[in-house]
This record gives sequence, structure tokens and C-alpha cells, in this order.
Amino acid sequence: GAGVSQSPSNKVTEKGKDVELRCDPISGHTALYWYRQSLGQGLEFLIYFQGNSAPDKSGLPSDRFSAERTGGSVSTLTIQRTQQEDSAVYLCASSVVREQYFGPGTRLTVT
Amino acid sequence: AQSVTQLDSQVPVFEEAPVELRCNYSSSVSVYLFWYVQYPNQGLQLLLKYLSGSTLVKGINGFEAEFNKSQTSFHLRKPSVHISDTAEYFCAVSFDQTGANNLFFGTGTRLTVIP
Repeated sequence: GAGVSQSPSNKVTEKGKDVELRCDPISGHTALYWYRQSLGQGLEFLIYFQGNSAPDKSGLPSDRFSAERTGGSVSTLTIQRTQQEDSAVYLCASSVVREQYFGPGTRLTVT
Repeated sequence: AQSVTQLDSQVPVFEEAPVELRCNYSSSVSVYLFWYVQYPNQGLQLLLKYLSGSTLVKGINGFEAEFNKSQTSFHLRKPSVHISDTAEYFCAVSFDQTGANNLFFGTGTRLTVIP
């Protein structure tokens, strides 16, 4: 079946602009995660959605980062006023129980 | 404190030789363990997982791993590697606690298979 999809695959933006990254999870998966992969920090957890519960935002690095999940399916990660240190690959994963399946990621470059 | 450690950042190995990639963790609660592989410019692919039961788990592409609770380890092994196994390998741990079941990742081991 279809896996986790993310769009865009690549995004280049100027410092100070806002960006939106999209994730389509596997159908039927109730949990959705966002992670960030960067050279300096490795793989870091950002935010977690489980069903209709309030999201766990404990991994978000600053208040410029936010995410929402509409209808328990598609999720959007928004970064406001992007900075150069936001350059990274943003990975989305969905899961049933504890087994997480990852999308291909969005490579964000802030110039 | 809860942490995941991959001691080897790079492991070169000749084709058809065996390989072991090491992973250790620190936790005061029960854990669930995973190995992921990442090929260049791709996302993470699940290789294998330990959730419960037998401590020896087998995964895709001929890989296996053994959960050793006393040594807090989950080393990944393959008896004979192929060129196509060249990739980055990540050990990941989910801690049995309330709240998010997010994964904590090691820093990765780059496996290079030499012809």
C-alpha cells in the first residue's frame, strides 16, 4: 500500500520567510510524528499527534515552529521567519502501536 | 537519563565479510528497540524491531539483532554483507512512559562495503 508522503521534496527559501511542509500519513495510522535531521544535531523529535488528543509539542525548538493535523490525517509543519539554522531535512512518520514508518523527507534550505 | 549511543560513526567492511554495528542505551524504564537504514537522499526504512518476546529478532535484507537487557545493548549483525548494504544505519529507542512514544535516535553508523 501507499507509504507516508511528504511535499515538497525540496524547498529553498530566503531568511525571514515562512514555509509550510506537508505530510500525508499512511491511511489508518492514528499517530503522526515530525522529526528534523541536520548535520549538527542528528535526528530530533519535534512534535507528536495521537488521534484527537492535544499534540505533544515538547520537541519544538522555538515558537516559530508550529504544526497542525486536520481531520486526523494530513499534517502541516509551519516555520515562521525562517533562519539559516532551520536548514535541515524534515521527516514525517506515522505509526500504529510503536512501529513508525517514515516519509522521504523535505529538504529545507534557508539562504 | 535516557540516551542512545552508537559508538562507531563509520564502519568499513569488505564484501561478503560479517559486520556488527553496535548500539547501547540507557534507561530506567522498559524500552522498545529499532534499527533503521537510510540510503542516500532517502527517508528511513525500518530494518527490524524488538517490542517483546524473543530477544533475537530478524529483519529485512538478512539483518538480525539481539536485545541484551543486562548489557543494555541491541547490536545489529549480518553474516555476509553486499555492496548494496552501503548506507547509514540508525539505532532508535522508544521508552515505555506516558506521553509521546517518539523515538530517540543514535548518531548513526555509516557502513561502507568495500568490493
